[in-house]
Amino acid sequence: NAGVTQTPKFQVLKTGQSMTLQCAQDMNHNSMYWYRQDPGMGLRLIYYSASEGTTDKGEVPNGYNVSRLNKREFSLRLESAAPSQTSVYFCASSVTGPPYEQYFGPGTRLTVT
Amino acid sequence: TQLLEQSPQFLSIQEGENLTVYCNSSSVFSSLQWYRQEPGEGPVLLVTVVTGGEVKKLKRLTFQFGDARKDSSLHITAAQPGDTGLYLCAGCSEHAGNMLTFGGGTRLMVKP
Repeated sequence: NAGVTQTPKFQVLKTGQSMTLQCAQDMNHNSMYWYRQDPGMGLRLIYYSASEGTTDKGEVPNGYNVSRLNKREFSLRLESAAPSQTSVYFCASSVTGPPYEQYFGPGTRLTVT
Repeated sequence: TQLLEQSPQFLSIQEGENLTVYCNSSSVFSSLQWYRQEPGEGPVLLVTVVTGGEVKKLKRLTFQFGDARKDSSLHITAAQPGDTGLYLCAGCSEHAGNMLTFGGGTRLMVKP
């Protein structure tokens, strides 16, 4: 039982390049989330998916797109990376319903130069 | 916008000392969760409190939810080096679509 897995672990991009961050969960959770974590700012929600086939914007969606490929997988795409997107990205999943406890992956450390 | 403020931001103590971390908001939450994050890893859920005034204990960690469900505290007794990490509180609110609002975190270092 791997929980939430993310690939890659590290990535360096040049400004303007694109990439997709992959996330998968094996806990049969309906809801999945993408966060970014920056020093002193906690975790900020980028996008979430309450169920397969649905996605919604979070607090900081600009510059990102997501795809809920199936119940297990939720990917995050940067179409044209910018230095402001340098961050650590976490994927999480949860059951649908209170208390909405979330389970996180190990993160992807992204640097945009 | 709902905000959760954690204090202190940083805490460096000696092994064996006690400490308290605070998580405060002007908003009411239906539940509040505490996570611990170690370097290079994702946050790991420690506990969820859902009732105003609720107290939960996890070995040497004691979590309390405020009576008005606007604040919470984490108290660690006789801290150990293994307690070192980033502690995050997160509030869940129906007004925010049941999304979690995270505090900025408290970075704890326990020196042997």
